[in-house]
Amino acid sequence: QVQLVQSGAEVKKPGASVRVSCKASGYSFTNYYVHWVRQAPGQGLEWMGIINPSAGTTRYAQKFQGRLSMTSDTSTRTVYMELSSLRSEDTAVYFCARDPDYGGYEASFDVWGQGTTVTVS
Amino acid sequence: DIQMTQSPSSLSASVGDRVTITCRASQSMSIYLNWYQQKPGKAPKLLIYAASSLQSGVPSRFSGSGSGTDFTLTISSLQPEDFATYYCQQSYTTPRTFGQGTKVEIK
Repeated sequence: QVQLVQSGAEVKKPGASVRVSCKASGYSFTNYYVHWVRQAPGQGLEWMGIINPSAGTTRYAQKFQGRLSMTSDTSTRTVYMELSSLRSEDTAVYFCARDPDYGGYEASFDVWGQGTTVTVS
Repeated sequence: DIQMTQSPSSLSASVGDRVTITCRASQSMSIYLNWYQQKPGKAPKLLIYAASSLQSGVPSRFSGSGSGTDFTLTISSLQPEDFATYYCQQSYTTPRTFGQGTKVEIK
């Protein structure tokens, strides 16, 4: 079935970097953009950015510019999100999510990873 | 950035009630509006896309309407499994933005 499986929980110290993976299965990996969304404890959803897994092109939210990087590996059907210069406010659950129609009317997040908890302490 | 404002922030309702959640965008965005349901400790689940299209596998008691700046999610008859937090989200432009969420609790 169509699914995104993320890597496990991470505990990092302030100033460190974290890399979270998101492995796709059950669909054509290069045909769908992937977003990253995070959720701080008890808070709402925050969009971080998007990657085209085929071309490797990215767009990031302004607040993360300079410390966020998204990459893709088509051979392993995996996208990666790396956030550097971590601070306590980056403690959150990080989700990857597939977009079925980026740029079109049906653009949305139709398949989600299970989430990866990143704790900065 | 497009600001998304949901109301109410929370509501209490009984099983069988009709529930309506509204979402207002800070600028017109046609029908580029999606709705999600999230339960504690779980990833969000897509319910409605393009303002009114029901995602495959989602019960028909969920419906969406609206265009431009004003949108509505309706649950026609609330079921026990519907107690959750609901988010609207715009896909008109980047950065994608979400409403602050509406928590639906048991009355």
